[in-house]
Amino acid sequence: DQQVKQNSPSLSVQEGRISILNCDYTNSMFDYFLWYKKYPAEGPTFLISISSIKDKNEDGRFTVFLNKSAKHLSLHIVPSQPGDSAVYFCAAVERGSQGNLIFGKGTKLSVKP
Amino acid sequence: GAGVSQSPSNKVTEKGKDVELRCDPISGHTALYWYRQSLGQGLEFLIYFQGNSAPDKSGLPSDRFSAERTGGSVSTLTIQRTQQEDSAVYLCASSLVRVLTEAFFGQGTRLTVV
Repeated sequence: DQQVKQNSPSLSVQEGRISILNCDYTNSMFDYFLWYKKYPAEGPTFLISISSIKDKNEDGRFTVFLNKSAKHLSLHIVPSQPGDSAVYFCAAVERGSQGNLIFGKGTKLSVKP
Repeated sequence: GAGVSQSPSNKVTEKGKDVELRCDPISGHTALYWYRQSLGQGLEFLIYFQGNSAPDKSGLPSDRFSAERTGGSVSTLTIQRTQQEDSAVYLCASSLVRVLTEAFFGQGTRLTVV
């Protein structure tokens, strides 16, 4: 039973356009959310995070939006660049937990020049 | 080293054999995690070490899996009597604090059980 779901296994976007990666969760105890980016043959790298007390966090071209009532978050990348092509993982941490990250299955983003 | 180092980078083993995977975290990082990624799957939590506290082993899939962390630094993940379903990329991460806000992952060990 997946607690963090990324329903789109892949996404293709034209360079310069916006990329929107979606993530849904089922556990209402999650209170911290993170996005990681992974290139082939490399470990995931932390990208951006958001606490449940916020609904938006922005860092350069990357913005994460959190809709707690819908248990939904999204990562916006604008403008998209070919170097953004990677697998993006959504992850969540449960309040009061040891800090274990629960990951989604990832979405493979391809940005075409 | 500058980052999290895992060895070996690739391991092919015969079904039934034992394997040991090693993780050298970033110096000074008190939290250490093991995850694995099977083909087409997300990152599955295995085990977590934090300082001198008892490790959280809740993610280990069976008693064939064990891990230790010696001296609060290097960690070894051991899989006994390997099975084909153990084939995956095993990833180690470390961080300064309990929550993975600034966690750094190693490149992983690709384990193939034949």
